[in-house]
Amino acid sequence: EAQVTQNPRYLITVTGKKLTVTCSQNMNHEYMSWYRQDPGLGLRQIYYSMNVEVTDKGDVPEGYKVSRKEKRNFPLILESPSPNQTSLYFCASSLGDGVGGRSPLHFGNGTRLTVT
Amino acid sequence: GNSVTQMEGPVTLSEEAFLTINCTYTATGYPSLFWYVQYPGEGLQLLLKATKADDKGSNKGFEATYRKETTSFHLEKGSVQVSDSAVYFCALSDLVAGTSYGKLTFGQGTILTVHP
Repeated sequence: EAQVTQNPRYLITVTGKKLTVTCSQNMNHEYMSWYRQDPGLGLRQIYYSMNVEVTDKGDVPEGYKVSRKEKRNFPLILESPSPNQTSLYFCASSLGDGVGGRSPLHFGNGTRLTVT
Repeated sequence: GNSVTQMEGPVTLSEEAFLTINCTYTATGYPSLFWYVQYPGEGLQLLLKATKADDKGSNKGFEATYRKETTSFHLEKGSVQVSDSAVYFCALSDLVAGTSYGKLTFGQGTILTVHP
């Protein structure tokens, strides 16, 4: 089954404790992206990657890191989480040709992160 | 920059009622327009799209027409069902300069609840 898999689904952590949220897709998609969803703000893009070893900042990259060493994986790293990073996070992927135009985004089921 | 504005929610309807969720956008180029739907506990799924002016996207009884003159892409359904209860996001995609990749900008989302 074609899918984007995120782990974990739920995560509670404390300020400053490094964490990684994993994302994997099995559709051979070139494009991958991370979003955070907050009430009243919709989805905001954190980072995106157009291909292996190619990543770029989205609209809200501060406090986050990503890597794209393999085509299928795109982990999101919070080196020193803070309470304002409490949010619902989504990973998404696409074929990439005019992404969002000809090629829709496929989303994972989300990771709900709470930082205390 | 680009932006998407959706009508404030939540929207509560009885089964078989007519649905309209308003969406207007601001964009510098010629974007593609989308509606994504998020069912409880899941990621977003593409509902429908339109890639140029006057195009009508349709799926599962939902429709939206790309109106360039009013910069709008309102979502409509003639007779809603309880199973349509979800969060609906309007979005636009515009090409990132110098690439063939699009960047998605989302509205804030509208919660729809349909009662039997």
